[in-house]
Amino acid sequence: QQQVKQSPQSLIVQKGGISIINCAYENTAFDYFPWYQQFPGKGPALLIAIRPDVSEKKEGRFTISFNKSAKQFSLHIMDSQPGDSATYFCAASQGGSEKLVFGKGTKLTVNP
Amino acid sequence: EPEVTQTPSHQVTQMGQEVILRCVPISNHLYFYWYRQILGQKVEFLVSFYNNEISEKSEIFDDQFSVERPDGSNFTLKIRSTKLEDSAMYFCASKRGRSVEKLFFGSGTQLSVL
Repeated sequence: QQQVKQSPQSLIVQKGGISIINCAYENTAFDYFPWYQQFPGKGPALLIAIRPDVSEKKEGRFTISFNKSAKQFSLHIMDSQPGDSATYFCAASQGGSEKLVFGKGTKLTVNP
Repeated sequence: EPEVTQTPSHQVTQMGQEVILRCVPISNHLYFYWYRQILGQKVEFLVSFYNNEISEKSEIFDDQFSVERPDGSNFTLKIRSTKLEDSAMYFCASKRGRSVEKLFFGSGTQLSVL
Protein backbone atom coordinates (compact mmCIF):
# COMPACT_ATOMS: atom_id res chain seq x y z
CA GLN A 1 0.00 0.00 0.00
CA GLN A 2 3.01 2.25 0.42
CA GLN A 3 4.06 1.75 -3.19
CA VAL A 4 4.02 4.25 -6.00
CA LYS A 5 3.98 2.58 -9.41
CA GLN A 6 5.61 4.49 -12.24
CA SER A 7 5.52 3.93 -15.98
CA PRO A 8 7.07 3.73 -18.47
CA GLN A 9 10.51 2.61 -17.38
CA SER A 10 12.06 4.42 -20.32
CA LEU A 11 10.81 6.91 -22.86
CA ILE A 12 12.26 8.28 -26.08
CA VAL A 13 10.79 11.47 -27.50
CA GLN A 14 11.74 13.71 -30.36
CA LYS A 15 12.68 17.30 -29.71
CA GLY A 16 9.55 19.42 -29.53
CA GLY A 17 7.35 16.48 -28.60
CA ILE A 18 5.35 15.86 -25.44
CA SER A 19 6.74 13.53 -22.79
CA ILE A 20 4.21 11.87 -20.49
CA ILE A 21 5.10 9.86 -17.39
CA ASN A 22 2.46 8.23 -15.24
CA CYS A 23 2.26 7.22 -11.59
CA ALA A 24 -0.35 5.41 -9.55
CA TYR A 25 -0.73 4.95 -5.81
CA GLU A 26 -2.88 3.00 -3.38
CA ASN A 27 -2.52 4.86 -0.12
CA THR A 28 -5.34 7.41 0.06
CA ALA A 29 -3.56 9.14 2.94
CA PHE A 30 -0.90 10.45 0.57
CA ASP A 31 -1.34 14.21 0.29
CA TYR A 32 1.80 15.46 -1.40
CA PHE A 33 2.99 14.39 -4.83
CA PRO A 34 6.34 15.73 -6.08
CA TRP A 35 8.26 14.96 -9.23
CA TYR A 36 12.03 14.83 -9.10
CA GLN A 37 14.51 15.14 -11.95
CA GLN A 38 17.88 13.42 -11.73
CA PHE A 39 20.82 13.93 -14.06
CA PRO A 40 23.68 11.39 -14.11
CA GLY A 41 26.03 11.86 -11.17
CA LYS A 42 23.63 14.18 -9.36
CA GLY A 43 21.03 13.77 -6.68
CA PRO A 44 17.31 14.12 -7.39
CA ALA A 45 16.12 17.72 -7.68
CA LEU A 46 12.55 18.83 -7.07
CA LEU A 47 10.89 19.75 -10.35
CA ILE A 48 7.25 20.36 -9.51
CA ALA A 49 4.78 19.17 -6.90
CA ILE A 50 1.03 19.05 -6.34
CA ARG A 51 -1.42 18.52 -3.50
CA PRO A 52 -4.74 16.73 -4.04
CA ASP A 53 -6.87 19.85 -3.70
CA VAL A 54 -6.06 20.79 -7.31
CA SER A 55 -6.27 18.71 -10.48
CA GLU A 56 -3.47 20.39 -12.40
CA LYS A 57 -0.38 22.47 -11.77
CA LYS A 58 1.73 24.06 -14.45
CA GLU A 59 5.22 25.52 -14.21
CA GLY A 60 6.67 26.53 -17.52
CA ARG A 61 6.80 23.49 -19.79
CA PHE A 62 6.08 21.09 -16.92
CA THR A 63 2.55 20.16 -15.87
CA ILE A 64 1.28 17.74 -13.25
CA SER A 65 -2.17 16.29 -13.82
CA PHE A 66 -3.79 14.73 -10.78
CA ASN A 67 -6.78 12.38 -10.72
CA LYS A 68 -7.79 11.77 -7.12
CA SER A 69 -10.56 9.28 -7.86
CA ALA A 70 -8.28 7.15 -10.03
CA LYS A 71 -5.34 7.61 -7.63
CA GLN A 72 -3.11 8.59 -10.50
CA PHE A 73 -0.92 11.53 -11.37
CA SER A 74 1.22 12.29 -14.36
CA LEU A 75 3.98 14.59 -15.53
CA HIS A 76 3.70 16.22 -18.91
CA ILE A 77 6.72 17.89 -20.46
CA MET A 78 5.70 20.11 -23.37
CA ASP A 79 8.11 21.01 -26.16
CA SER A 80 10.63 18.46 -24.85
CA GLN A 81 14.27 19.46 -25.26
CA PRO A 82 17.49 17.41 -25.31
CA GLY A 83 18.38 19.11 -22.02
CA ASP A 84 15.34 17.44 -20.45
CA SER A 85 17.03 14.05 -20.91
CA ALA A 86 17.23 12.70 -17.36
CA THR A 87 15.61 10.22 -15.02
CA TYR A 88 12.30 11.37 -13.57
CA PHE A 89 10.89 10.06 -10.30
CA CYS A 90 7.42 10.52 -8.97
CA ALA A 91 7.00 10.37 -5.22
CA ALA A 92 4.36 10.68 -2.54
CA SER A 93 4.14 11.38 1.16
CA GLN A 94 1.46 11.66 3.77
CA GLY A 95 0.90 14.20 6.48
CA GLY A 96 2.66 13.30 9.72
CA SER A 97 5.35 11.33 7.92
CA GLU A 98 8.74 12.65 6.94
CA LYS A 99 9.39 10.07 4.29
CA LEU A 100 8.94 10.27 0.54
CA VAL A 101 7.92 7.08 -1.24
CA PHE A 102 9.46 7.05 -4.70
CA GLY A 103 8.47 5.39 -7.93
CA LYS A 104 11.09 3.37 -9.79
CA GLY A 105 11.95 6.16 -12.19
CA THR A 106 11.62 6.84 -15.91
CA LYS A 107 14.66 7.42 -18.06
CA LEU A 108 13.71 10.07 -20.60
CA THR A 109 15.76 10.57 -23.75
CA VAL A 110 14.92 13.51 -25.98
CA ASN A 111 16.47 13.15 -29.41
CA PRO A 112 17.55 16.30 -31.24
CA GLU B 1 21.59 27.83 -5.29
CA PRO B 2 22.91 26.32 -2.02
CA GLU B 3 23.91 22.67 -2.14
CA VAL B 4 24.02 19.63 0.09
CA THR B 5 27.58 18.31 -0.01
CA GLN B 6 28.43 14.64 0.38
CA THR B 7 31.82 13.01 0.82
CA PRO B 8 33.29 10.80 -0.42
CA SER B 9 31.66 10.44 -3.82
CA HIS B 10 32.78 6.80 -3.96
CA GLN B 11 33.62 4.45 -1.10
CA VAL B 12 34.81 0.88 -1.40
CA THR B 13 34.86 -1.30 1.69
CA GLN B 14 35.21 -4.91 2.67
CA MET B 15 32.23 -6.81 4.00
CA GLY B 16 32.07 -6.56 7.79
CA GLN B 17 33.89 -3.23 7.94
CA GLU B 18 32.45 -0.06 9.40
CA VAL B 19 31.83 2.84 7.07
CA ILE B 20 30.89 6.46 7.72
CA LEU B 21 29.25 8.55 5.04
CA ARG B 22 29.44 12.28 5.50
CA CYS B 23 27.13 15.09 4.55
CA VAL B 24 27.09 18.84 5.00
CA PRO B 25 23.46 19.98 4.77
CA ILE B 26 22.51 23.49 3.71
CA SER B 27 23.43 25.81 6.55
CA ASN B 28 20.01 27.06 7.70
CA HIS B 29 18.26 23.73 7.28
CA LEU B 30 16.94 21.89 10.32
CA TYR B 31 15.60 18.59 8.93
CA PHE B 32 18.00 15.97 7.63
CA TYR B 33 17.53 12.70 5.79
CA TRP B 34 19.30 9.71 4.34
CA TYR B 35 17.95 7.84 1.33
CA ARG B 36 19.54 5.10 -0.68
CA GLN B 37 19.22 3.79 -4.22
CA ILE B 38 20.33 0.30 -5.10
CA LEU B 39 21.42 0.13 -8.74
CA GLY B 40 18.41 0.01 -11.03
CA GLN B 41 15.92 0.31 -8.19
CA LYS B 42 13.91 3.10 -6.65
CA VAL B 43 15.12 5.65 -4.14
CA GLU B 44 14.29 4.41 -0.63
CA PHE B 45 13.90 6.35 2.60
CA LEU B 46 16.21 5.36 5.44
CA VAL B 47 15.88 7.92 8.22
CA SER B 48 14.90 11.45 9.13
CA PHE B 49 16.60 13.50 11.84
CA TYR B 50 15.56 16.67 13.64
CA ASN B 51 16.63 18.38 16.81
CA ASN B 52 19.41 15.84 17.36
CA GLU B 53 17.21 12.81 17.28
CA ILE B 54 15.71 10.39 14.81
CA SER B 55 12.15 11.43 13.94
CA GLU B 56 11.33 8.56 11.62
CA LYS B 57 13.11 5.49 10.23
CA SER B 58 12.33 2.74 7.77
CA GLU B 59 12.55 -1.02 8.28
CA ILE B 60 15.84 -0.90 6.36
CA PHE B 61 17.39 1.24 9.11
CA ASP B 62 18.20 -1.53 11.56
CA ASP B 63 20.70 -1.70 14.42
CA GLN B 64 23.60 -1.71 11.95
CA PHE B 65 22.81 1.86 10.98
CA SER B 66 23.19 5.02 13.02
CA VAL B 67 23.12 8.74 12.32
CA GLU B 68 24.77 11.61 14.07
CA ARG B 69 25.15 15.35 13.85
CA PRO B 70 28.53 15.62 15.57
CA ASP B 71 28.82 19.37 15.14
CA GLY B 72 26.85 22.27 13.72
CA SER B 73 27.52 21.42 10.12
CA ASN B 74 28.04 17.69 9.52
CA PHE B 75 25.47 14.90 9.36
CA THR B 76 26.78 11.35 9.18
CA LEU B 77 25.47 7.88 8.43
CA LYS B 78 27.39 4.99 9.98
CA ILE B 79 27.03 1.38 8.94
CA ARG B 80 28.64 -0.74 11.64
CA SER B 81 29.27 -4.01 9.80
CA THR B 82 28.66 -3.68 6.10
CA LYS B 83 26.97 -6.39 4.07
CA LEU B 84 27.10 -6.99 0.34
CA GLU B 85 23.50 -5.81 0.07
CA ASP B 86 24.44 -2.43 1.53
CA SER B 87 26.04 -1.58 -1.81
CA ALA B 88 24.06 1.38 -3.10
CA MET B 89 24.10 5.10 -3.77
CA TYR B 90 23.41 6.89 -0.51
CA PHE B 91 21.82 10.33 -0.71
CA CYS B 92 21.75 12.90 2.05
CA ALA B 93 18.97 15.48 1.94
CA SER B 94 17.88 18.46 3.97
CA LYS B 95 15.12 21.02 4.21
CA ARG B 96 14.59 24.21 6.16
CA GLY B 97 11.45 23.42 8.12
CA ARG B 98 8.85 20.72 8.62
CA SER B 99 6.22 22.51 6.56
CA VAL B 100 8.72 23.38 3.83
CA GLU B 101 8.22 20.98 1.00
CA LYS B 102 11.37 21.45 -1.04
CA LEU B 103 13.84 18.75 -0.16
CA PHE B 104 17.41 19.32 -1.34
CA PHE B 105 19.45 16.22 -2.19
CA GLY B 106 23.21 15.85 -2.33
CA SER B 107 24.96 14.15 -5.25
CA GLY B 108 25.33 10.94 -3.31
CA THR B 109 28.03 8.54 -2.12
CA GLN B 110 28.36 5.35 -4.12
CA LEU B 111 29.13 2.63 -1.58
CA SER B 112 30.56 -0.64 -2.88
CA VAL B 113 30.86 -3.52 -0.42
CA LEU B 114 33.18 -6.29 -1.60
